[in-house]
Amino acid sequence: AQSVSQHNHHVILSEAASLELGCNYSYGGTVNLFWYVQYPGQHLQLLLKYFSGDPLVKGIKGFEAEFIKSKFSFNLRKPSVQWSDTAEYFCAVVPYSSASKIIFGSGTRLSIRP
Amino acid sequence: EAQVTQNPRYLITVTGKKLTVTCSQNMNHEYMSWYRQDPGLGLRQIYYSMNVEVTDKGDVPEGYKVSRKEKRNFPLILESPSPNQTSLYFCASSFADLNTEAFFGQGTRLTVV
Repeated sequence: AQSVSQHNHHVILSEAASLELGCNYSYGGTVNLFWYVQYPGQHLQLLLKYFSGDPLVKGIKGFEAEFIKSKFSFNLRKPSVQWSDTAEYFCAVVPYSSASKIIFGSGTRLSIRP
Repeated sequence: EAQVTQNPRYLITVTGKKLTVTCSQNMNHEYMSWYRQDPGLGLRQIYYSMNVEVTDKGDVPEGYKVSRKEKRNFPLILESPSPNQTSLYFCASSFADLNTEAFFGQGTRLTVV
C-alpha cells in the first residue's frame, strides 16, 4: 500500500540550529512530492514541491528539500531555524498516474526555543 | 484574493443531528476534496471530486456524503454525526488534479458530543 513515513513526531530545537526532517515514501511508480506547513491555528500551506529535474528544490522561507530516488526519500532542511518556524510539517506524495489523492505523512511538530 | 473558504470554523453538535460544512473556492478549480486531520494520523482523504457531478470516495468515507452541483462549492454532509467524527476538517482544491498545487481552507473543528 502507498504510504508516507515521517519518523520524527516532535522535534525541539533552539533558534539558529539546523533542521532536517525525514520523509520516506513507499510507491513503485512516479510521484510528485510536497512539503506542507501548518502554523498554529492555520491551514496548510505549500512549502515546496518536486515534480522533476534538479532533485534539490528550494521553497519559501529558506527551506529546501532533496529527493533521493534510490532511497525513496524527500527530506526537508533549513540551515538556521527561527522561532517563527514553529509549526507542524507534513510530507506528502501524489502518485503521478492517479493524481486524485494526496498521501500525507503523520506530520512532524517542530518547536523552536527562543 | 484566491482562497478556499470553509464554514463554520468551529462547531459543537450532538450525536445524530445532521450537519453540513460548506466549502467554496474562487479559483475556478476543477478538483476539490475533503480531509480530516487527527493527531498522529496526519490527514486522511474523505471524498474528492474531479469536476462537477463527479465525486468519489477517499480513504475514510464512512459516515459522510458530498455533492458537487457547482464548480465552486463542495459541501461535506454528516447525516448522523457520531463522536468518532470529532476532528479537524480541511477542504482543498486544485486546478485539474493533484499534480498541481493544492490550496487548503482554514479548517473546521467539529466536536460531536
